[in-house]
Amino acid sequence: QQQVKQSPQSLIVQKGGISIINCAYENTAFDYFPWYQQFPGKGPALLIAIRPDVSEKKEGRFTISFNKSAKQFSLHIMDSQPGDSATYFCAASLRGAQKLVFGQGTRLTINP
Amino acid sequence: DAGITQSPRYKITETGRQVTLMCHQTWSHSYMFWYRQDLGHGLRLIYYSAAADITDKGEVPDGYVVSRSKTENFPLTLESATRSQTSVYFCASTAGGPEGNQPQHFGDGTRLSIL
Repeated sequence: QQQVKQSPQSLIVQKGGISIINCAYENTAFDYFPWYQQFPGKGPALLIAIRPDVSEKKEGRFTISFNKSAKQFSLHIMDSQPGDSATYFCAASLRGAQKLVFGQGTRLTINP
Repeated sequence: DAGITQSPRYKITETGRQVTLMCHQTWSHSYMFWYRQDLGHGLRLIYYSAAADITDKGEVPDGYVVSRSKTENFPLTLESATRSQTSVYFCASTAGGPEGNQPQHFGDGTRLSIL
């Protein structure tokens, strides 16, 4: 059973634009929501993470927006650059747990 | 070198054969994980381990076997490979601890093709 649904599956954005990837979850006990970035031929790496006690977290050009009532969270990449071209995964886990449930992934392409 | 390494990086085998994927981490992390990555399914957890000699099933454990006799190693074995197990396999580790929710550190994967 897929507990985290991610969309879109693929996304093409022009350089300098805003990339937006969305995720929805079902389990209201989830308490930790990370995003991972994966380049071709490499394993995923943690990009940014949020807990549901805040509605937004920003790190440089990357922002997570969190809507607890809608059970949704999204990744925004401002001023998207060709180097941001990668596959992005959202994930969720319970408080204190180490297991992650991943979304299906989004392949992001930034056109120069 | 410090980090997490997987071997082999590429493997081609035939249905019915046994194949073992290796994972080694140098951080002495307590937790280790095996995922498979398939288009449209993201990363799905196969097995995980909280410590040496402690393992548990994930979302898709059927057809796989794991062991963890040493903290740093977490091999994954396909006892009788099937075509449906063709995938990219990732190993990951994390320190765990009382604060929980520590970042998972991934290896670069093993691309496995079963003919």
